[in-house]
Amino acid sequence: DAKTTQPPSMDCAEGRAANLPCNHSTISGNEYVYWYRQIHSQGPQYIIHGLKNNETNEMASLIITEDRKSSTLILPHATLRDTAVYYCIVRARGGADGLTFGKGTHLIIQP
Amino acid sequence: EPEVTQTPSHQVTQMGQEVILRCVPISNHLYFYWYRQILGQKVEFLVSFYNNEISEKSEIFDDQFSVERPDGSNFTLKIRSTKLEDSAMYFCASSRIRQETQYFGPGTRLLVL
Repeated sequence: DAKTTQPPSMDCAEGRAANLPCNHSTISGNEYVYWYRQIHSQGPQYIIHGLKNNETNEMASLIITEDRKSSTLILPHATLRDTAVYYCIVRARGGADGLTFGKGTHLIIQP
Repeated sequence: EPEVTQTPSHQVTQMGQEVILRCVPISNHLYFYWYRQILGQKVEFLVSFYNNEISEKSEIFDDQFSVERPDGSNFTLKIRSTKLEDSAMYFCASSRIRQETQYFGPGTRLLVL
């Protein structure tokens, strides 16, 4: 699976959109981009995933660049409960079973 | 919404003792996983399980560890003789089929004294 690079931490004001970047410049054509988050040692929570098209669900939007080398997770109206570590994971169809977690981005929502 | 559950939420044990961590995966899921997270470190994959056998395992998953699906609902991780360095959060996950989204449980915090 391709490696990902994320900033170690970010701040965002409550009520504003939180935009979390992820670089995956070595991604290959069959690799999906997954986002999970972990709130204070709870189990990782699935957020969203995509291959090449932008995706939106009730939690977030995922914007993948046309060359697929980077993506942005958008939380449209951040709340204090969105404070968490956010993980960007690249995963191939037919690849390893296990997810490879990096250090992620610690997003802190400020009141 | 269906979710993965884990018991106990906390377990304290003495070094050398056996522990069994339990998980109930989402009911129509066929693939099950264990991960661990040592305090302050990354979440690490341990093992995946399908059709009553191990599908993949990491280097961490040595002979001290075993997994089992003892009945139609539970999935267990056994650590035969615990060591201090086994202290960690242990997360169970499940997916409907291989390579689909994995959903995680809340974890069991294991403390080995």
